[in-house]
Amino acid sequence: NAGVTQTPKFQVLKTGQSMTLQCAQDMNHNSMYWYRQDPGMGLRLIYYSASEGTTDKGEVPNGYNVSRLNKREFSLRLESAAPSQTSVYFCASTRSLSGGALSEALRQYFGPGTRLTVL
Amino acid sequence: RKEVEQDPGPFNVPEGATVAFNCTYSNSASQSFFWYRQDCRKEPKLLMSVYSSGNEDGRFTAQLNRASQYISLLIRDSKLSDSATYLCVVNPDNYGQNFVFGPGTRLSVLP
Repeated sequence: NAGVTQTPKFQVLKTGQSMTLQCAQDMNHNSMYWYRQDPGMGLRLIYYSASEGTTDKGEVPNGYNVSRLNKREFSLRLESAAPSQTSVYFCASTRSLSGGALSEALRQYFGPGTRLTVL
Repeated sequence: RKEVEQDPGPFNVPEGATVAFNCTYSNSASQSFFWYRQDCRKEPKLLMSVYSSGNEDGRFTAQLNRASQYISLLIRDSKLSDSATYLCVVNPDNYGQNFVFGPGTRLSVLP
């Protein structure tokens, strides 16, 4: 199992360019998440998908869109990149409500991250 | 007040020392609590879940104090490999739809 994979690992954009960050998991998890991590601020939730076919805004959704393409894949799109979106982006997944121990159901598995710089 | 607060550190301790971190949370309805470890420029990984009765995993002990709304992490006999940032994570419900991360506490274990 690869777990959670993300592409690309690094990206440099100019202000106003668009791009899509890809995320895939092979653990048959129900829920998927996109976070950004900035120095001193911890991880902040951008969007999440509780299950296939649903998406919801998190704490910092402005400037982003998401697509839950299928159960495996959850992509994050920046339509018009801004310097304030320079950050490290992590995708994560959880099994969520599928029975078994609650602590394991809510355990988050993270991808390796995408380091994005917007000039 | 931030939802989840942690002392950012850094905590610089010698090998073999015992070190403890606290994390406070503001939402009294929070149900699930976790400690994650994050190495420099890497993704967070689950260290341990925190149960109401407290739990231990080797050198690591986690405690929950609902009355005072904080969780703690105790590391005994620190190893150089324990150097990392420790993230406190709170889930206000049990549906896994809203995880709130603290900013993390940085630990450096010195030889």
